[in-house]
Amino acid sequence: AQKVTQAQTEISVVEKEDVTLDCVYETRDTTYYLFWYKQPPSGELVFLIRRNSFDEQNEISGRYSWNFQKSTSSFNFTITASQVVDSAVYFCALSPPLGSGNTGKLIFGQGTTLQVKP
Amino acid sequence: DTEVTQTPKHLVMGMTNKKSLKCEQHMGHRAMYWYKQKAKKPPELMFVYSYEKLSINESVPSRFSPECPNSSLLNLHLHALQPEDSALYLCASSQGTISLGAYEQYFGPGTRLTVT
Repeated sequence: AQKVTQAQTEISVVEKEDVTLDCVYETRDTTYYLFWYKQPPSGELVFLIRRNSFDEQNEISGRYSWNFQKSTSSFNFTITASQVVDSAVYFCALSPPLGSGNTGKLIFGQGTTLQVKP
Repeated sequence: DTEVTQTPKHLVMGMTNKKSLKCEQHMGHRAMYWYKQKAKKPPELMFVYSYEKLSINESVPSRFSPECPNSSLLNLHLHALQPEDSALYLCASSQGTISLGAYEQYFGPGTRLTVT
């Protein structure tokens, strides 16, 4: 079975603090894709990053960074020096393997609501 | 341009009404999706179209009827809905190949539907 767990339901930080959002996934497949999406109060899901299962390099994009560790089945997301505009719901998602009748279905975690206070 | 547009932004309809939600993308994507999202929950997949053909229906009730007139447009026809169908309906698109799941999906802003 495939599953994504975001254990942190809500996180509240003060502006300029660093914050890490946890994501743990379960899959028996060796090939898969992981994603992070941001959903601000406006409702639109914004794509942040895609990572395939063969690429364990950490990634940094501005204040955002991602740590992918296959050994612990985790794909954590860190925001450095958080800002009020980072307030949103963040979803981690898993995509089943290629060529397996893959329908493009994303398996979402339950989401983490991040509130950044001024 | 990574934009998916959806109309209308808000819709209120009675249980006997017929209405349609519209989605459009101009990224040349060949896969399009409809999701339903309830408050404080992740999106739930409803339908997937790949190369304008319905490739997956996640056991959605027949009161929801999707349509893909061409590669850029996706409609969702609504008829005889129930109050529990009130939700945010999101459209998404992605590059369409055999390996749909390999590509990120780009989402529209959604239509907030209220069924009275």
